[in-house]
Amino acid sequence: DAGVIQSPRHEVTEMGQEVTLRCKPISGHDYLFWYRQTMMRGLELLIYFNNNVPIDDSGMPEDRFSAKMPNASFSTLKIQPSEPRDSAVYFCASSLVGPDTQYFGPGTRLTVL
Amino acid sequence: AQSVAQPEDQVNVAEGNPLTVKCTYSVSGNPYLFWYVQYPNRGLQFLLKYITGDNLVKGSYGFEAEFNKSQTSFHLKKPSALVSDSALYFCAVSPYNTDKLIFGTGTRLQVFP
Repeated sequence: DAGVIQSPRHEVTEMGQEVTLRCKPISGHDYLFWYRQTMMRGLELLIYFNNNVPIDDSGMPEDRFSAKMPNASFSTLKIQPSEPRDSAVYFCASSLVGPDTQYFGPGTRLTVL
Repeated sequence: AQSVAQPEDQVNVAEGNPLTVKCTYSVSGNPYLFWYVQYPNRGLQFLLKYITGDNLVKGSYGFEAEFNKSQTSFHLKKPSALVSDSALYFCAVSPYNTDKLIFGTGTRLQVFP
């Protein structure tokens, strides 16, 4: 298995632009998690899905953030409009069941100018 | 509140010496406990977990961790450190009856030749 796949690996955009991050979980995993990592706040859980259904989005910082999982093999995290304080590394992770070992993707490094 | 604490921002150890990275937790019920490692510009990689059973858990790359219920600790250990072990280490806990992981702030391990 290729593991969790994220794209793009790097994204540089200007304030006010829409940003879409993509994730393909490990096949057969029922849970998908989106995290954000910054020096100041560490690793934060933004939202997670079970069987494509959002279960807990309490970590989503603002209405500018939205996430979808239209099918078992694809999820997106969208920021619209983006702001410089959104600059961070965004990770996607998946697990077979919850709670269980989560497998992380390589991350997307987002820079908002 | 449920939480995980990693009291040391950085741990320095000489190659060949034993290492310990500390983790304590505060959750209700019987938690699931995890250790992850993060190398520069990479996603988090699973090292080991405790679910139930033997308090000493062995994981990848020669690492082990001991679950101590009375002290609510789950310290990561390795008998002989390698320079290649230098990385950022995260402790995580999944409280009883939840699907989420709560991550600590991370401890940077530096192994000197």
